[in-house]
Amino acid sequence: RKEVEQDPGPFNVPEGATVAFNCTYSNSASQSFFWYRQDCRKEPKLLMSVYSSGNEDGRFTAQLNRASQYISLLIRDSKLSDSATYLCVVNADDMRFGAGTRLTVKP
Amino acid sequence: DVKVTQSSRYLVKRTGEKVFLECVQDMDHENMFWYRQDPGLGLRLIYFSYDVKMKEKGDIPEGYSVSREKKERFSLILESASTNQTSMYLCASSASGTGNTIYFGEGSWLTVV
Repeated sequence: RKEVEQDPGPFNVPEGATVAFNCTYSNSASQSFFWYRQDCRKEPKLLMSVYSSGNEDGRFTAQLNRASQYISLLIRDSKLSDSATYLCVVNADDMRFGAGTRLTVKP
Repeated sequence: DVKVTQSSRYLVKRTGEKVFLECVQDMDHENMFWYRQDPGLGLRLIYFSYDVKMKEKGDIPEGYSVSREKKERFSLILESASTNQTSMYLCASSASGTGNTIYFGEGSWLTVV
């Protein structure tokens, strides 16, 4: 079993849609959690950290469920520019990356 | 602004060649990492370093070595390149401690023929 698992997608949604990604992790000792965004042939960049109480940044909402060991990312009112691969990252002794979920937002 | 620089963006090397990938960060970060990224496999950690002259193996160190002689520089070395090392290589750095953001370089696309 992989330490961090994500649905690879692809998710194809129309502009304005709401889309949610989940990510599960196996190490219960994990302490910090992140979502990164990666555009095609570019490096990953931090989208947002994920806090225990959940947090929001504009159209993006991240949630953490420690009991079930998953984190989620919700994107509201999707824009064409949201098209990218979203990586979840889990930190215990080291940083573990999911393989990414591909999102395509279409006009 | 934070900066991780990978000097070689696109390389084509022959099987058996020695390959050097260089990475420099200007944030005075203690931690530096080398990953490779392949379709469907995500990022896999090759080596990392928590301090100068210190290195630790990641998940897939075979066929690679690293060097960290200065804090800002972390080099990945392929002693004898093979075709299965064709990949995108990402260097990253972070401050010491848990939960700090990892910053990536732009990536080095290596093709071994």
